[in-house]
Parts: sequence; C-alpha cells; structure tokens
Amino acid sequence: IQMTQSPSSLSASVGDRVTITCRASRSISNYLNWYQQRPGKAPKLLISGVSGLQSGVPSRFSASGSGTDFTLTISSLQREDFATYFCQQSYSTPSWTFGQGTKVEIK
Amino acid sequence: EVQLVESGGGLVQPGGALRLSCVASGITVSDNFMSWIRQTPGKGLEWLSIIYSGGSTYYADSVKGRFTISRDNFKNTVYLQMNSLRAEDTAIYYCARDDMGGGSYGDWGQGTLVTVSS
Repeated sequence: IQMTQSPSSLSASVGDRVTITCRASRSISNYLNWYQQRPGKAPKLLISGVSGLQSGVPSRFSASGSGTDFTLTISSLQREDFATYFCQQSYSTPSWTFGQGTKVEIK
Repeated sequence: EVQLVESGGGLVQPGGALRLSCVASGITVSDNFMSWIRQTPGKGLEWLSIIYSGGSTYYADSVKGRFTISRDNFKNTVYLQMNSLRAEDTAIYYCARDDMGGGSYGDWGQGTLVTVSS
C-alpha cells in the first residue's frame, strides 16, 4: 500500500491553522498513524488509529479520515511544531508503509 | 521509562555485513513486538522487519533473504544481521516498539547510521 502526502513542504506562521493530507493507494479503514520528527531526532508518535491522540500530545493536533483519505490538522501552529510529519498505514500487517513526509517551515 | 539504544552502525563495503543491536530498558523485548525501521533522505521511512513476542519474524521484500532479525532474551536485546549490503542500504536504522500491538510505533531508539560504500 502506497501512502502519498501533500504538500511535501509548507511555510506557515505561528498561530496559523495547518492541514496535511495523506492518501492511501487503497482503503486502509482507519489504520492510519501520524508522527512528528524534529531534525536529528527519531519520529514521535502523535496520533494512532486516525484519532487516538497520544498521551502528552497537545490537543491542537487532530486527525480525521477513513478509507483512503486522511488529514492531520494543527489548529494553531506553535514554534515547537515546526518539524516534519509522516503518516503511516498499519492496515497491511506486517508490511507497514509511510508517507514521504511533509516539512512544516517557518514563514 | 522505555529506552531503546541502537549500536553497531558504521561504514561497510558493498557486499559486506553488519550486525545492529538494540538494547532495551524499561520493557522486556520478549513480551513486545519489536521492529527495525530505516530512514533515508531519498526513500523516507521504510519498515524493514518485526519480531513478535511469540518469535515469528517478517521482512520487507527489499531485505528478505539478506537481513535477519533476532533477539536475546537474557540480554534484552534485539538484533538485525545485515548481509550482502548494497549502497541503497545506506540509512539511519531505528529500533522501534509497537507498544499497542496495532502497528503504530510509540517508542524509538536514537538511530544508528549505516553507510555502505567502497
């Protein structure tokens, strides 16, 4: 299953609402996870199963979608949110695949 | 607190071999689903292999037959034996735990860099 994210990068300002899209090549139900990766660090799981916000992750992060189309939304971008975000399908067990990433940069 | 610490990366010639280690603390690897995932600038994140708590192992097609995942329960360590290495295996290799058993990775190591070059 191929995962395609868009855009590949975006520029935004602190306080902006940001939306990242992830599309699966076929239906993955709601088996979709989102990660944040800061430079030089390992990915960090933000949301699992589309809407399962991980402990300690701010509520400004939310996700939605089902089937093939999914979104990650940051309601009010903070400075610490500038990072790269990846989606990952966990439907095709055990052959998980990731999107290519969306880099969120400061405008 | 869960900690995963990888080691064993380095420079190796094409066709060579390398064994990566992932020492875990705060968890028992034999009770968990442990994977290796790599990252390159070009291909992004790529899931490579998993060893389930029951001992079953699975591999991505790109490494099947060349890489072997294993664990040492006494050392609480997961390994990735990499043989017949190619230039395209150059990447940062992460050890990660599927902490909910559903294919999402809540715990990651810091990564170890493998460079395949002559």
